[in-house]
Amino acid sequence: DAKTTQPPSMDCAEGRAANLPCNHSTISGNEYVYWYRQIHSQGPQYIIHGLKNNETNEMASLIITEDRKSSTLILPHATLRDTAVYYCIVRALSAGGYQKVTFGTGTKLQVIP
Amino acid sequence: NAGVTQTPKFQVLKTGQSMTLQCAQDMNHEYMSWYRQDPGMGLRLIHYSVGAGITDQGEVPNGYNVSRSTTEDFPLRLLSAAPSQTSVYFCASSDIGGDYGYTFGSGTRLTVV
Repeated sequence: DAKTTQPPSMDCAEGRAANLPCNHSTISGNEYVYWYRQIHSQGPQYIIHGLKNNETNEMASLIITEDRKSSTLILPHATLRDTAVYYCIVRALSAGGYQKVTFGTGTKLQVIP
Repeated sequence: NAGVTQTPKFQVLKTGQSMTLQCAQDMNHEYMSWYRQDPGMGLRLIHYSVGAGITDQGEVPNGYNVSRSTTEDFPLRLLSAAPSQTSVYFCASSDIGGDYGYTFGSGTRLTVV
């Protein structure tokens, strides 16, 4: 599985867009990019995932570069409740296949009032 | 749906004791995994399973055993607890398709004294 690199911390003003980068330069063609967040000591929560096209859901948008070596998670209007650690992982999807996935240390996003 | 249920939520063990952390999911997910999270660190994969009867080691398997006799349950056994195993343990499950990412349990906070 490809490894990812994220900045250890970021700040964002409340109401502004939070843009969280992730580098995954060794990503394989069949690996998806997934984003999760962990609020305080809760279990991580799935946010969004994508293969090569940009994706949007009710929580966030995911922008993947054309070469797929990096991506950005966008929280369009950050609130104090978005303060959390955000994890970017890459994962291949195959029925019955290899599913060893590791999480790094993520980016600690602090939303500032 | 209950999702992923972990029991107990808190546990204190003495060095050398054994115990089993329980994990159950009701989503018919093929894939289940155990992670540990130490203060200030990300999630490290202990063991995982791609289906009943199939398990494999993750990054930090030493001192832990798993089995997967049913699709629903994936218990984690500590054979002889050590203070280094003091951590928060998370169980996660996913369908092979991965459309909704991993669903995590709320965690078990284990202290070994």
